[in-house]
Amino acid sequence: DADVTQTPRNRITKTGKRIMLECSQTKGHDRMYWYRQDPGLGLQLIYYSFDVKDINKGEISDGYSVSRQAQAKFSLSLESAIPNQTALYFCATSRGGEIGELFFGEGSRLTVL
Amino acid sequence: GQQLNQSPQSMFIQEGEDVSMNCTSSSIFNTWLWYKQEPGEGPVLLIALYKAGELTSNGRLTAQFGISRKDSFLNISASIPSDVGIYFCAGQPRWRDDKIIFGKGTRLHILP
Repeated sequence: DADVTQTPRNRITKTGKRIMLECSQTKGHDRMYWYRQDPGLGLQLIYYSFDVKDINKGEISDGYSVSRQAQAKFSLSLESAIPNQTALYFCATSRGGEIGELFFGEGSRLTVL
Repeated sequence: GQQLNQSPQSMFIQEGEDVSMNCTSSSIFNTWLWYKQEPGEGPVLLIALYKAGELTSNGRLTAQFGISRKDSFLNISASIPSDVGIYFCAGQPRWRDDKIIFGKGTRLHILP
């Protein structure tokens, strides 16, 4: 089983709908992240969390919200999806201290029509 | 904000050739990282660099942390078909700041 699991893997939705992407991890890491990947644009940080009570905005947080339900769970929500939020979304974890080693999930591909 | 300029954007090479790609920034980074992403998967860390001037190898891969702290390169020797993928540089701009910034990636294609 994957250490970092994302659900759903693929989702097609319509403009204005609320969408939640979920991430769970079995690595025991405190730190969790949500990134967005668009073709040719690399990975952009949306939100990150150092522990259950700590949530921080990343580079492109507008239009997104997150919830850290437990150490192992970090969900990303789009309250009212729009077409330019069509992208590949990655959850990642790190233990901190070992700076830089992010462990990524397999990604959730979201299409907003 | 801080940005990483990664080049080239894509490469087409023959199997067996060596590959070189690099990443530059206008500001100083404390950590440089190189990741590889294969189709349908998330990026996986290849090499991490923590000191200016550091040269690190991982099999056929070699990466260096530039002396200026503003650049890094990744070399792949004797490329093989499984090297195909997108290679990302990433950096940590401030000590103990987990906002790791990624370059836009180099897509490597290998011709038979």
